[in-house]
Amino acid sequence: GDSVTQMEGPVTLSEEAFLTINCTYTATGYPSLFWYVQYPGEGLQLLLKATKADDKGSNKGFEATYRKETTSFHLEKGSVQVSDSAVYFCALSSYSSASKIIFGSGTRLSIRP
Amino acid sequence: NAGVTQTPKFQVLKTGQSMTLQCAQDMNHEYMSWYRQDPGMGLRLIHYSVGAGITDQGEVPNGYNVSRSTTEDFPLRLLSAAPSQTSVYFCASSETQGSGSPLHFGNGTRLTVT
Repeated sequence: GDSVTQMEGPVTLSEEAFLTINCTYTATGYPSLFWYVQYPGEGLQLLLKATKADDKGSNKGFEATYRKETTSFHLEKGSVQVSDSAVYFCALSSYSSASKIIFGSGTRLSIRP
Repeated sequence: NAGVTQTPKFQVLKTGQSMTLQCAQDMNHEYMSWYRQDPGMGLRLIHYSVGAGITDQGEVPNGYNVSRSTTEDFPLRLLSAAPSQTSVYFCASSETQGSGSPLHFGNGTRLTVT
C-alpha cells in the first residue's frame, strides 16, 4: 500500500542554518504530495504541495520539489528562524488511497537563537 | 473565519465512560475525517466521510463511532473509553476527497483515559 517515510528527528539547528528534511514515498500512479507543519498546541496546517512530477511547491521560504525518479519530496529552507520550530509532516494522496491522506511520522525541528 | 472547530480542547475520562468529541466546519467541505496523533506514530485515520450520510472506516476504527447527518458536523463517539485511547484527536476537512485537495485541521482535543 501507499506509504511515506521521513527522516526521524529531532533536528536541532542554529538560526540562519540551511534545512533539509528528507521525505520519500511509495505509491501507485501519480500521487499529490504535501508538507504540513504543526506549531505547539495547534493542529496541522498546509505548508506547501505539489501535484505532479517536477512541480515545486513553495511557501514562507520553504521549498520542495516532486521527484518521481527518486520518489522524493524533500523539504528545504535556506535560512531558518526560531519561529520555524515546529513538527513537519510529509504526506501523500493518491487515487489508490483516494479518501485517505497518508502521513509520515513527523520530524520535530528546533532552532537555536 | 472559523474553519474547523473542535470541542472540547481537553477531556479526562475514566475507563468505561463514553463521550462525544465534536467537530464542525463552516467551509461547506464534502470530506471530513478524524485522526489520532500518538508520539512517534504520526497521524492515523480513524473514520472519514465523503458527504452527509456517508461514513467509512479508516486505519484504526475500533472503539469509535461516527455519523454525518449534516455537511457541517462530524462527531466522534467513544463508546467505552480505554487507556489505549489516550491521545490527541484531530478533525480535518477538505473540499473534496480527490487527490490534491489539502486538509484543514482543527486545533485538536487532548483526551486522557485513566
